[in-house]
Amino acid sequence: AQSVTQLDSQVPVFEEAPVELRCNYSSSVSVYLFWYVQYPNQGLQLLLKYLSGSTLVKGINGFEAEFNKSQTSFHLRKPSVHISDTAEYFCAVRFLGGGADGLTFGKGTHLIIQP
Amino acid sequence: EAQVTQNPRYLITVTGKKLTVTCSQNMNHEYMSWYRQDPGLGLRQIYYSMNVEVTDKGDVPEGYKVSRKEKRNFPLILESPSPNQTSLYFCASSLSEKETQYFGPGTRLLVL
Repeated sequence: AQSVTQLDSQVPVFEEAPVELRCNYSSSVSVYLFWYVQYPNQGLQLLLKYLSGSTLVKGINGFEAEFNKSQTSFHLRKPSVHISDTAEYFCAVRFLGGGADGLTFGKGTHLIIQP
Repeated sequence: EAQVTQNPRYLITVTGKKLTVTCSQNMNHEYMSWYRQDPGLGLRQIYYSMNVEVTDKGDVPEGYKVSRKEKRNFPLILESPSPNQTSLYFCASSLSEKETQYFGPGTRLLVL
């Protein structure tokens, strides 16, 4: 079955520390991979995406993610976080070539930045 | 300004009273989609549309209807709302399934 798992519902981090938000998926078909961010009381905004090519993808606000096909993972990283990064982060996957179209989202990870 | 708009932004209604949430995009996007967001469950796709007059079910379509009579609009219809449809709803659009989805600001619905 196709699924998306975000292993951590909450990640507390001190300001200026590095952070990694984990995302794993289960699929027998090819995928497109996305990370979205939702700031409090706002809609979703794309951080970055992987469609093909280089497995290291750089996005907005200093975030990057690496696609690991063998581990079916797409973890999001930032070397130094700021208070303004406090938000909910969603990993999303589009499974290609079969079944319903559209994005399947993980349940989200709440990133909490502590001063 | 390129955007996806939703109306209303907030709605309180009662069980069984039909309602429509409108969604409109001004980017000439082919693909549009509706999601609901619930605490601890993330976003789940309700319906999507690849183009005008082409719609299909997502993961949680029960109790919802959609239509796509013109490219820019993709209304979500709740014929007989129930309390379990209380949620935050997002409309999104993109050029195609490969492209970035742009999300509307959300509609918060409470069904009493």
